[in-house]
Amino acid sequence: TQLLEQSPQFLSIQEGENLTVYCNSSSVFSSLQWYRQEPGEGPVLLVTVVTGGEVKKLKRLTFQFGDARKDSSLHITAAQPGDTGLYLCAGDGNQFYFGTGTSLTVIP
Amino acid sequence: GAVVSQHPSRVICKSGTSVKIECRSLDFQATTMFWYRQFPKQSLMLMATSNEGSKATYEQGVEKDKFLINHASLTLSTLTVTSAHPEDSSFYICSARWRGSGSYEQYFGPGTRLTVT
Repeated sequence: TQLLEQSPQFLSIQEGENLTVYCNSSSVFSSLQWYRQEPGEGPVLLVTVVTGGEVKKLKRLTFQFGDARKDSSLHITAAQPGDTGLYLCAGDGNQFYFGTGTSLTVIP
Repeated sequence: GAVVSQHPSRVICKSGTSVKIECRSLDFQATTMFWYRQFPKQSLMLMATSNEGSKATYEQGVEKDKFLINHASLTLSTLTVTSAHPEDSSFYICSARWRGSGSYEQYFGPGTRLTVT
């Protein structure tokens, strides 16, 4: 059972466009993390959000944790080809649950 | 951030042989490590949770006699794929749990690409 659903599953956009990835669940998490993974490598931690309603920024990436700590979003401004990769959210509840993943391709 | 290493990064083996993959936390002690399997462009599938000094907890559908996990120290966990078959070919990733500033975080190894011929 996948507790965390990500949308969209696949996304292909032109360089310079903005995008938002959503991570939704019916469960409450004590914290939520976002990772980016490139082919053939392990996921790399981007950010951890802990407080409901929390917003964190990492250069052109903005992460938000829902007020009820059940969902999160990742917004990328002016996407670049280097942003291409698989984005994974993961929630820390009774166990550590991964989202279904969003494969992003940014076309130059 | 914390660093986790995995060895080997790639391995090719013949059907019927066994392969051992090592996962090390380099700059912190990890009481809990996790092993995942991943197919192309898909999310990570948790195989088992490895606790130092005790038996691993396997997810439903994962054969514990086929995927042997040992967590002998706070910095090392190993996954042995026994009697490997071509369907075991996959990308295997380990992670180690670390308590950051107020929350648990997981740090991942670079993964091991296993190809069984």
